[in-house]
Formats: sequence, C-alpha cells, structure tokens
Amino acid sequence: DTGVSQDPRHKITKRGQNVTFRCDPISEHNRLYWYRQTLGQGPEFLTYFQNEAQLEKSRLLSDRFSAERPKGSFSTLEIQRTEQGDSAMYLCASSFSERDSDTQYFGPGTRLTVL
Amino acid sequence: GNSVTQMEGPVTLSEEAFLTINCTYTATGYPSLFWYVQYPGEGLQLLLKATKADDKGSNKGFEATYRKETTSFHLEKGSVQVSDSAVYFCALIRNDYKLSFGAGTTVTVRA
Repeated sequence: DTGVSQDPRHKITKRGQNVTFRCDPISEHNRLYWYRQTLGQGPEFLTYFQNEAQLEKSRLLSDRFSAERPKGSFSTLEIQRTEQGDSAMYLCASSFSERDSDTQYFGPGTRLTVL
Repeated sequence: GNSVTQMEGPVTLSEEAFLTINCTYTATGYPSLFWYVQYPGEGLQLLLKATKADDKGSNKGFEATYRKETTSFHLEKGSVQVSDSAVYFCALIRNDYKLSFGAGTTVTVRA
C-alpha cells in the first residue's frame, strides 16, 4: 500500500486559467475527501465522496470548482477561471467506511500558485 | 457548529524539554478527537486519536487524553527531540465525516 498520492505536487498558473488536480486514494478506501489549506491555517473541508457519489460540498466550493470520482477510485478537482485567492495547498484524504471509518489518511497535497 | 481552538505558536524548545500544546473544542455530542502532524515538506500524518471520553491516545512518546468535562485534548510529550520539529494540528470529527482543524501550532526543537 503506497498511501494517498496526488498529482501534480506543484502548479503555477496565471489568473483566469483552468487547472485540474488528481488524487489516488489508498486502494481499499471507498471514501475520498478534498480539503484546502492556506498559509498559517488548518485544512478546511471542501467535498466528500463515498464511492462515486459526491455526498457533501462545502460553501467554500464555489461554482468554479468541480470534483469528480467517476469510477469510485481516483478523483479530480478542477478549478475554472482561477483567481489569486485560489492559491493554497489542496489536500486529498481517504478512509474506509467499514473499518476505522473516522480516520482519514492524507496525501502530500498539491500546492497551487495563481499569478 | 464544530470548532477547534489550539494554542498559538510558534513554540521553541530545547531538546529533552517537556512539550504541551493546548487544544479545546466545541461540538455537540461525542466527537472523535485527533492530533495530526505535518513535518517540513511532508503531508499531514495522523499522530494519535481518541474516540470517547477519558480515552488516552498515544504514539511516538506523545499522549493526549479526551476530557469531556473541559472539552479538551491537550498534546504532551515528556522529552522532545529535534526530529519533533513540525506543525501540529488538533482536529475533531462528528458524524458528518468532515474533519474540523485548529489553526496549527509550529514547534521548533533546538539541539
């Protein structure tokens, strides 16, 4: 088991461009979460999937943000028309609903810089 | 709503000193409580957890006890090492599977 992986690790983009991040959870984990972490703050919840179903979205997730988990395995987070305020670390986590379900395992994150 | 308040940093200690990071929470019912650690250049790692009142979580010499009467989950280590330098986050989860994190406490241990 290689843990949660995220790609890319760093992304620099210009304001107004679209970006997409990928998360691969731990293989048996059916739950997947996205969080956003800004400098000096703790992570904030964005959205959550159980298998392929998106079950909850935070109000932080504006209509420029969309997340998918089409086959219940990996997930993508897309940000359209990026703004400087989107600069942050985007964290993915996963867990298994049938065992130790409240423990989430985090990936290394994707650091987004919007110029 | 659920919230976590933790001691502001940064905290600077000498090796072998005693470390305490205070954490208090606000939540209805009985949340599960966590400490996560973020080492420089790495992702968040679960350090320890406790799921009910009076439970003690422990790992790598760190301990924290779930105190419902004071709504606290303070992190302690008796003798820190340089390798413990990191950012520590207190967090809770309550039914809805969203982790709510504190702002983090940066700890630096000097040799």
